[in-house]
Amino acid sequence: EDKVVQSPLSLVVHEGDTVTLNCSYEVTNFRSLLWYKQEKKAPTFLFMLTSSGIEKKSGRLSSILDKKELFSILNITATQTGDSAIYLCAVEAGGTSYGKLTFGQGTILTVHP
Amino acid sequence: DGGITQSPKYLFRKEGQNVTLSCEQNLNHDAMYWYRQDPGQGLRLIYYSQIVNDFQKGDIAEGYSVSREKKESFPLTVTSAQKNPTAFYLCASSIGGRQETQYFGPGTRLLVL
Repeated sequence: EDKVVQSPLSLVVHEGDTVTLNCSYEVTNFRSLLWYKQEKKAPTFLFMLTSSGIEKKSGRLSSILDKKELFSILNITATQTGDSAIYLCAVEAGGTSYGKLTFGQGTILTVHP
Repeated sequence: DGGITQSPKYLFRKEGQNVTLSCEQNLNHDAMYWYRQDPGQGLRLIYYSQIVNDFQKGDIAEGYSVSREKKESFPLTVTSAQKNPTAFYLCASSIGGRQETQYFGPGTRLLVL
């Protein structure tokens, strides 16, 4: 059974801090790893990672994948109150389970002014 | 505007009753998905469909049923066999197997009376 574990489950920081969110996974047929941000209702897509060691960057957010050790990290620098959200990691399977996403339980990030 | 819609926003179910959650998209996406979200458990896949008239069970399909008679519609029925239906239900769609373009609907919160 495919499995995705995120840590920490919750994190409280102050504006300006840098945070690192972790995602480890076990999947039979790995295709990609995705990060989402969920603020109120629907998650919004952040990054898709398929290759090890290649950092994806978008503003203050960046993410990298290690396919050997089976984990990914999401970094947020100079955090702002608007970064407060649930951050979800998901792994996409290939092969016979093509298109199936398995999500982690999420990390609840709270950024105080 | 193109997008994915879910209705109703809130739904109440009585014991022993079947209820159907609607999901419609006008993005011309081939693939559609249903997820259930419970606190501390991220998103769990219920059913997914890669093409019209075809669908596959996800990780927690028991007590649920779906149909995919039209490309734009993927309704989810929560049957009386689902003993713990109270949750937030999210529908999503994507262009075939391109998970980075997965769009989520606004969600339906189901409550049991």
